[in-house]
Amino acid sequence: AQSVAQPEDQVNVAEGNPLTVKCTYSVSGNPYLFWYVQYPNRGLQFLLKYITGDNLVKGSYGFEAEFNKSQTSFHLKKPSALVSDSALYFCAVRDWGFSGGYNKLIFGAGTRLAVHP
Amino acid sequence: DSGVTQTPKHLITATGQRVTLRCSPRSGDLSVYWYQQSLDQGLQFLIQYYNGEERAKGNILERFSAQQFPDLHSELNLSSLELGDSALYFCASAGEDEQFFGPGTRLTVL
Repeated sequence: AQSVAQPEDQVNVAEGNPLTVKCTYSVSGNPYLFWYVQYPNRGLQFLLKYITGDNLVKGSYGFEAEFNKSQTSFHLKKPSALVSDSALYFCAVRDWGFSGGYNKLIFGAGTRLAVHP
Repeated sequence: DSGVTQTPKHLITATGQRVTLRCSPRSGDLSVYWYQQSLDQGLQFLIQYYNGEERAKGNILERFSAQQFPDLHSELNLSSLELGDSALYFCASAGEDEQFFGPGTRLTVL
């Protein structure tokens, strides 16, 4: 079965410092991996995806993620954190199910990122 | 703005009642997914519809049902509500690979 794990409930970082939010995955076949962000009282916003190709994926708001097949990881990174980056971050993997095509996302538990001034 | 709309934004109701949540996907998207976000269960997939037909089912309770109409909007019906059904309910529609989420409906069961 497909799954993702986010080992940290919360990550604290000072503004201007680099940030990393960790995600590991377990899938059968090639993984389709995603990061989403949720601000308070808002829906989930798509940040970036890894489907195939370069292991370093660039996304919205200066975020990037590194796909590492040998470590089955897909960590989210940003070189310089902003206070406005404080939010809940979810890693997700697509579960193809029995019929392929567009299928459901399986989410990690989420990591709360707190960026302090 | 993701282009996915959901109404209402908030719902407060009593145990035993029935409610309907509505979702309109992005223009051109045929798939609609419903997810439940609760403190103890996290984000869980409930059900998917594609062009009017049920495509995949997750941990959806028998008290819950959904449908997708010819204009592609979808409704999630929750009946015999219990306190534990209080949660944020999201719908999403599918782009080429990623899903785009609506703002959610916050359901409070008292």
